[in-house]
Amino acid sequence: GDSVTQMEGPVTLSEEAFLTINCTYTATGYPSLFWYVQYPGEGLQLLLKATKADDKGSNKGFEATYRKETTSFHLEKGSVQVSDSAVYFCALSAGGTSYGKLTFGQGTILTVHP
Amino acid sequence: GAGVSQSPSNKVTEKGKDVELRCDPISGHTALYWYRQSLGQGLEFLIYFQGNSAPDKSGLPSDRFSAERTGGSVSTLTIQRTQQEDSAVYLCASRGLAGGGTGELFFGEGSRLTVL
Repeated sequence: GDSVTQMEGPVTLSEEAFLTINCTYTATGYPSLFWYVQYPGEGLQLLLKATKADDKGSNKGFEATYRKETTSFHLEKGSVQVSDSAVYFCALSAGGTSYGKLTFGQGTILTVHP
Repeated sequence: GAGVSQSPSNKVTEKGKDVELRCDPISGHTALYWYRQSLGQGLEFLIYFQGNSAPDKSGLPSDRFSAERTGGSVSTLTIQRTQQEDSAVYLCASRGLAGGGTGELFFGEGSRLTVL
């Protein structure tokens, strides 16, 4: 079945450091890929997405490129801020008869210190 | 409403009791999803509604779990004879027609269930 594997956390960084959170997936066909973020005390919200190979999703300084050859969708940010502290989830939607449901990775806790 | 609303936000119950969790999706959103978020298990899909019908119930963990949706709007997730392993945060999400199968899911803040 479809699955998403994220790098294990937690990840602790200093402000302005470079961030990478690895995500790889297994799916039949051509899934759409997403990063969702959960800030403390809030619900999950979409951070960025990519719907086909080589697409780059970007938002709030975060980027991720859909790499079909390596089945990856790694999240990057060049300079993190304290306000980026949250849990990050990689997810896929397999399309077709999956009805848009998402398969999530385990989540990565990011803590950014001043 | 402006977002997906879930109630109660917190529920503590005794083992063996039944609980009902409610989700009020974004107005006009026809697709509705329930997920469960628990430590060590990540986010698990439970059930999907399109309108009032549920074409995908594949994630419901046992026959103690059921869900319904009425009027194409509010959904209720019912857990009968709760067990301690049911303790988790239950998340509801809705999606509009825009974007088709790749459209953004909008999540509520969840209902935290604790079974003693």
